[in-house]
Amino acid sequence: AQKVTQAQTEISVVEKEDVTLDCVYETRDTTYYLFWYKQPPSGELVFLIRRNSFDEQNEISGRYSWNFQKSTSSFNFTITASQVVDSAVYFCALSEADRGSTLGRLYFGRGTQLTVWP
Amino acid sequence: DVKVTQSSRYLVKRTGEKVFLECVQDMDHENMFWYRQDPGLGLRLIYFSYDVKMKEKGDIPEGYSVSREKKERFSLILESASTNQTSMYLCASSSIDTSNQPQHFGDGTRLSIL
Repeated sequence: AQKVTQAQTEISVVEKEDVTLDCVYETRDTTYYLFWYKQPPSGELVFLIRRNSFDEQNEISGRYSWNFQKSTSSFNFTITASQVVDSAVYFCALSEADRGSTLGRLYFGRGTQLTVWP
Repeated sequence: DVKVTQSSRYLVKRTGEKVFLECVQDMDHENMFWYRQDPGLGLRLIYFSYDVKMKEKGDIPEGYSVSREKKERFSLILESASTNQTSMYLCASSSIDTSNQPQHFGDGTRLSIL
């Protein structure tokens, strides 16, 4: 079973629209970490954010914001006022950290292709 | 900044060849990983390593092997390349840390097996 589900395969928006990328995860660990990565057309994966399971505070960084809700096992990513340069594949990932888990190993979702049109 | 360097961006090989993909990191990270990325499937873990000479199978190790003779270098080996191994291969490294530090990725190697 997938530990990380990104149900949206592709999303297209027009510049300046807000867009939310969904991520649902599944784990039995009490300590875990969630990540978002961006993969632009050039191919390299760029780390965006990491949150631990004990910190449900939402985070905002410029036009990016993240909504972590343990009650729904979700870690959604919103881009406000999207720009063409935001076009990329975005990956959500989970790392489990309880005793017995494979420390440092990431479980990735299948990614969401975001296209922002001018 | 962490630098993870993969030896080739593009590589074309023939079926049956032995193929080596090299990855070097410059941050003294203990953990290193090899993934393959295919459309619609995301990143799938092939092998990983926590230390020199140590290796662990990931989710899709069949047809691959790895080598970690030095801490900074992690090699992926296709013993006898097949067309279904045509893919994008990504190497990553991270610090061994109970707070699960993010992995840092190389630029990827797009491998075509003809």
